[in-house]
Formats: sequence, C-alpha cells, structure tokens
Amino acid sequence: AQSVTQLDSHVSVSEGTPVLLRCNYSSSYSPSLFWYVQHPNKGLQLLLKYTSAATLVKGINGFEAEFKKSETSFHLTKPSAHMSDAAEYFCVVSDLGGNKLVFGAGTILRVKS
Amino acid sequence: DVKVTQSSRYLVKRTGEKVFLECVQDMDHENMFWYRQDPGLGLRLIYFSYDVKMKEKGDIPEGYSVSREKKERFSLILESASTNQTSMYLCASSLSEMGKPEAFFGQGTRLTVV
Repeated sequence: AQSVTQLDSHVSVSEGTPVLLRCNYSSSYSPSLFWYVQHPNKGLQLLLKYTSAATLVKGINGFEAEFKKSETSFHLTKPSAHMSDAAEYFCVVSDLGGNKLVFGAGTILRVKS
Repeated sequence: DVKVTQSSRYLVKRTGEKVFLECVQDMDHENMFWYRQDPGLGLRLIYFSYDVKMKEKGDIPEGYSVSREKKERFSLILESASTNQTSMYLCASSLSEMGKPEAFFGQGTRLTVV
C-alpha cells in the first residue's frame, strides 16, 4: 500500500530565508505525488504535482519540489519565505488506480518576521 | 476554475442526531470524496464515489454513509452523530482521466457534536 511520511510536524523559518519541507513516500510503482497547502480556515489548494514527467516540478507562489526515486523523497522548497506562506502543507501520493489520494500528517510552517 | 461547494461552513449538532453534509461540484468530475481532517492525522478518507450510485469505503467508514444520486452531488450522512465525530470534513472531486489525478477541495465543514 502507498504511504507518505512528512518528517517534520512543525517548521519555523524567518522571512526571507529558504523553506524546506520534507516528504518520503512508499509505493510499489511509480506514483503521482502532490503538495497541497491549507491556510487557516480554508480548503486545500494544489501547490504542485509530479506525474512522471520532469523530476523537478515548479508550482505556484515560488515553490518547487524534486522527485528522487532513489531516495523515495519529494521535498518541497522555496528560496525565500514570505509571511503569507505560513500555513499547513500536505504531501500526498495517489493510489495505483490514480483515483484515491493518501495524505501525510501535515507540516505546519511558521514564518517569523 | 473547478468549484467544489460544501453547503455549510460550520455546524453544531446534538448527539444522536442524523446529520447530512452536502457537496456539489460543477466540473463534471467522475470521482468524489469525503475526508475527515483531525490535527496530527492529516486527511483520512471516509468514502469515495467513482460514478453515480457507486460508492466505496475508505479508511474510516464506520458511523458514516454516503449518497450519490446525481453526478455533481455527493452527500455524507452521519446516521447517529457522536462526539467523536466532531471534526473538519472536506469534500473533493477529481477526473478519472489518466494523468490528471489531482483532487479539488471544498472549503470544509467544521462539525461540532455536543
């Protein structure tokens, strides 16, 4: 079965410094992977997705993620954090049929001024 | 843009009540999902539907049922609400098309059972 592990439940960075949110996945096949963001009292918004094309994926708001099969990782990065990036981030893997999504436990990103 | 609309943002219900959560999507998506979100647990799948009148249990279906009579509408039913069902409930939809597996989410319904 597919699973996702987000290695940090909370990450705190200063505004203007890089962001790294770590995600490892487990899958018996080549999966589709996603990062979603949830701002307080909002629904989930898709940040970016990997679906077996380029391994470096660019998303919205300056975020990107790199698919590394050898490390079974899909870490999310951003060169310079902004206060508006403070939110909860979910790493997600699709099932074999591609219809169901399996979520990590989430990482809460705090951005200090 | 895809729009997924949940009928209520906040609900307060009493223990033992029958509760209906409604979700409507406007993009003709085949798949629809109900998730429950609790702190530290991420999103857990309750039920999903891949076609009208079709449904499949997710990871935590106990105490819930669903109905999909029309393609655009997917309802979650709590047959007899209990306090441990206090949570945020998120509806989502997606295409069945290969290469487009991403789901689009509604704003969520925060349900409190007292």
